[in-house]
Amino acid sequence: ETGVTQSPTHLIKTRGQQVTLRCSSQSGHNTVSWYQQALGQGPQFIFQYYREEENGRGNFPPRFSGLQFPNYSSELNVNALELDDSALYLCASSLGGGGLTDTQYFGPGTRLTVL
Amino acid sequence: SQQGEEDPQALSIQEGENATMNCSYKTSINNLQWYRQNSGRGLVHLILIRSNEREKHSGRLRVTLDTSKKSSSLLITASRAADTASYFCAGLPSDSWGKLQFGAGTQVVVTP
Repeated sequence: ETGVTQSPTHLIKTRGQQVTLRCSSQSGHNTVSWYQQALGQGPQFIFQYYREEENGRGNFPPRFSGLQFPNYSSELNVNALELDDSALYLCASSLGGGGLTDTQYFGPGTRLTVL
Repeated sequence: SQQGEEDPQALSIQEGENATMNCSYKTSINNLQWYRQNSGRGLVHLILIRSNEREKHSGRLRVTLDTSKKSSSLLITASRAADTASYFCAGLPSDSWGKLQFGAGTQVVVTP
């Protein structure tokens, strides 16, 4: 049990729609990272938020956006959904800093299916 | 595209045997973390090895790190059916704050 929760567990949307995924980090963790995991692949980094500011982004278009709130919750928003957005979306919380012992703890994920 | 690679892609062993999987990465890292994932669910953190460490143990897990070869290995001793899962290594790059770079994973099946 990592103390990181995500909602919803599963979600089905159609192309062109917008979706919001939610994550609740471990208490005290200032940093949340979001990853996309396609079937049969390893997770790909989307972006990271530290103290409510985005401080790193992977190779994802601007229609992927996020928010982090002071109460250790965060959101991943995806606009104009495409079929290729179908994946498992994972959030991970950590103390941040990227140092030698910086550890990311993952939630159970949200399975998004785009039809 | 994946930033690291695990080898083998799949491994099938019997209970009681050891399972060894290898990981290679491309950039300089601060640490390397191993995770387990069951049936497409969340990732469970197994062990972290710092860039200035060469070997680390945790229970039945043994991890090695060779930064000169940019490679790591995970050994699971005396495997159990419950160890059946996908295993991922993830490097924390020293020049990219918090962006874990994952390989494609090794799928391990342990049969009773």
